[in-house]
Amino acid sequence: AQKVTQAQTEISVVEKEDVTLDCVYETRDTTYYLFWYKQPPSGELVFLIRRNSFDEQNEISGRYSWNFQKSTSSFNFTITASQVVDSAVYFCALSESVTGGGNKLTFGTGTQLKVEL
Amino acid sequence: SQTIHQWPATLVQPVGSPLSLECTVEGTSNPNLYWYRQAAGRGLQLLFYSVGIGQISSEVPQNLSASRPQDRQFILSSKKLLLSDSGFYLCAWSVRGPGYTFGSGTRLTVV
Repeated sequence: AQKVTQAQTEISVVEKEDVTLDCVYETRDTTYYLFWYKQPPSGELVFLIRRNSFDEQNEISGRYSWNFQKSTSSFNFTITASQVVDSAVYFCALSESVTGGGNKLTFGTGTQLKVEL
Repeated sequence: SQTIHQWPATLVQPVGSPLSLECTVEGTSNPNLYWYRQAAGRGLQLLFYSVGIGQISSEVPQNLSASRPQDRQFILSSKKLLLSDSGFYLCAWSVRGPGYTFGSGTRLTVV
C-alpha cells in the first residue's frame, strides 16, 4: 500500500526565515505523481505543484522550491523568506491509479506552518 | 473554464439525522469525482470515487454512501449520522491524468 509520511507536525518560524517541509513516500509503482497542497485556515486545498516520478529536476517558483530525490523517496518543499501569509497546513500527496480509471491521492498527515512577525 | 461547486459550506446536524451533501462540476464532461473527509487535526481520507454515472467505489466501510445521478453531480449521504461523522468533507474532480481540483469543502458538525 502507498504511504506518505510528513514527520513534522508543526513548525514555527519568524518571518523572513527559510523553512523546509519534509515528505517521504512509499510506493511499489514505477510511475507515480507527487503533489504539494496548501490548506489555509479557510479550509480549501490549494494546489502548489505536481511532479512526475520520471522528472527528478528540482523546481523553483518564486519563493517556493521543491527537491525530489527518488533514491531516498523524498519530495521536500522549501519556502524562502517566509511570510505571515504562508501560515497554513501543507500536505504532501502521492497518486495511484484506481480500478476503472481515475487516480487516488494518498495524503500525508500535514505540517502546520506558523510564520510569526 | 471548469468550476466545482460544493454546498453547504457549514452544517450542524443532530445525531441520528440524515445527511445530503452535493457537489457539481461545470465546464467539463465525464469527470472522475471524489469525496474526501478530513477529521480534525488529521490528513485527508478518500471515501468514495466515481468514474462514471451510477458507478461508485467505496474506499472504507462506514456510515456514509455516495451516488452519481448525473454526469457532473456527486452526492454524499447518510441515513443516520454518528458523532464520528463530524469533519471537513471535500469533493474533487479530475479529467485526464492525476491531480485534482478540490471544492471549497463542507464543515460538518454532528451534535
